[in-house]
Amino acid sequence: NAGVTQTPKFQVLKTGQSMTLQCAQDMNHNSMYWYRQDPGMGLRLIYYSASEGTTDKGEVPNGYNVSRLNKREFSLRLESAAPSQTSVYFCASQFAQVDYGYTFGSGTRLTVV
Amino acid sequence: GIQVEQSPPDLILQEGANSTLRCNFSDSVNNLQWFHQNPWGQLINLFYIPSGTKQNGRLSATTVATERYSLLYISSSQTTDSGVYFCAVGNTGNQFYFGTGTSLTVIP
Repeated sequence: NAGVTQTPKFQVLKTGQSMTLQCAQDMNHNSMYWYRQDPGMGLRLIYYSASEGTTDKGEVPNGYNVSRLNKREFSLRLESAAPSQTSVYFCASQFAQVDYGYTFGSGTRLTVV
Repeated sequence: GIQVEQSPPDLILQEGANSTLRCNFSDSVNNLQWFHQNPWGQLINLFYIPSGTKQNGRLSATTVATERYSLLYISSSQTTDSGVYFCAVGNTGNQFYFGTGTSLTVIP
């Protein structure tokens, strides 16, 4: 039982390059989330998917796109990376309507130079 | 969005001591979680506690939603308790708002 798996764990991009962060969960959770964490700050929600086939913007969606590929997978895409997107990105999943909290992946540390 | 304030921002404890971490929020909520981020960056859910009291071993949490605060109690602290503790709250749909955390260091 792997939980929530994020790939890659580390990435360095040049300004203007694109990339996709992958997230997969094997817990049959309905909801999935992408957060970013910047130094000294809490996590901020980028996008979420309440259920398969739906996606919605969070607090800081600009510069990102997402795809809920199926119930297990939720990807985050940076079309044209900017230095302001240097951050640690966390994917989380949740079994909605049940008294469970989030399960987080181990994070992706992204540096844009 | 909902404003979340955590206190204290930093806390240093001797091993074996007890502590109370506080989370205040600016609006009514129907979802609240506490997390621990260990020194390696991994985030672990501690409690899902929109109201009431829960206990899990040496940790317990109480949320008084009507007064807009939650407390996390750590008893008999251990060095493995070190890290950052986050409170996250939500009131509509699936959006959670995080506080900036309490950084806890437990000294042997």
